[in-house]
Amino acid sequence: NAGVTQTPKFQVLKTGQSMTLQCAQDMNHEYMSWYRQDPGMGLRLIHYSVGAGITDQGEVPNGYNVSRSTTEDFPLRLLSAAPSQTSVYFCASRHDRGVSGANVLTFGAGSRLTVL
Amino acid sequence: GQQVMQIPQYQHVQEGEDFTTYCNSSTTLSNIQWYKQRPGGHPVFLIQLVKSGEVKKQKRLTFQFGEAKKNSSLHITATQTTDVGTYFCAGYYGNNRLAFGKGNQVVVIP
Repeated sequence: NAGVTQTPKFQVLKTGQSMTLQCAQDMNHEYMSWYRQDPGMGLRLIHYSVGAGITDQGEVPNGYNVSRSTTEDFPLRLLSAAPSQTSVYFCASRHDRGVSGANVLTFGAGSRLTVL
Repeated sequence: GQQVMQIPQYQHVQEGEDFTTYCNSSTTLSNIQWYKQRPGGHPVFLIQLVKSGEVKKQKRLTFQFGEAKKNSSLHITATQTTDVGTYFCAGYYGNNRLAFGKGNQVVVIP
């Protein structure tokens, strides 16, 4: 049981390049999400998905695309990287327990992205 | 938009002393969660509080949820070097958006 797996762990891009951060979970979680973490800013929600074929925007979605073709995978795409996207990205997943349930996130180890 | 605010943002704590970190929401929360992130690591779930006025303890950690369900606190007694890290509170706005505070980065002085 690997939990939430993110690849790559580190990546350096040039401005304008595109790339995909991969996220996979083996816990059969319905809900998956992407956060970015910047110094002094906490964790900010980029996009999330409540199931295969369903995605929605979070707090800071601009510059990022997502798709959810399977329950297990939730890739995050940067179509044209900008220096402002330099950050640590975390994928997180959980079961959907409803509004009053224990909707606890399990995080991956993170992907550190630098855009030059 | 909905916000979760944490104070203080940074704390230096002498080993053996107690400290408290606070979390406030601009709106009423259905529940509040606390996570801990060790330096270089990822956030790990600590606890969830659901009921108004709820108090939960985990060894030296005491978590409280305010009566109005808009604030929470984490109190750690007899701080140890293993307590170093950043503590985040987070609240759900709707069923699907978990908003995190900016965190309280704790440095333990031996």
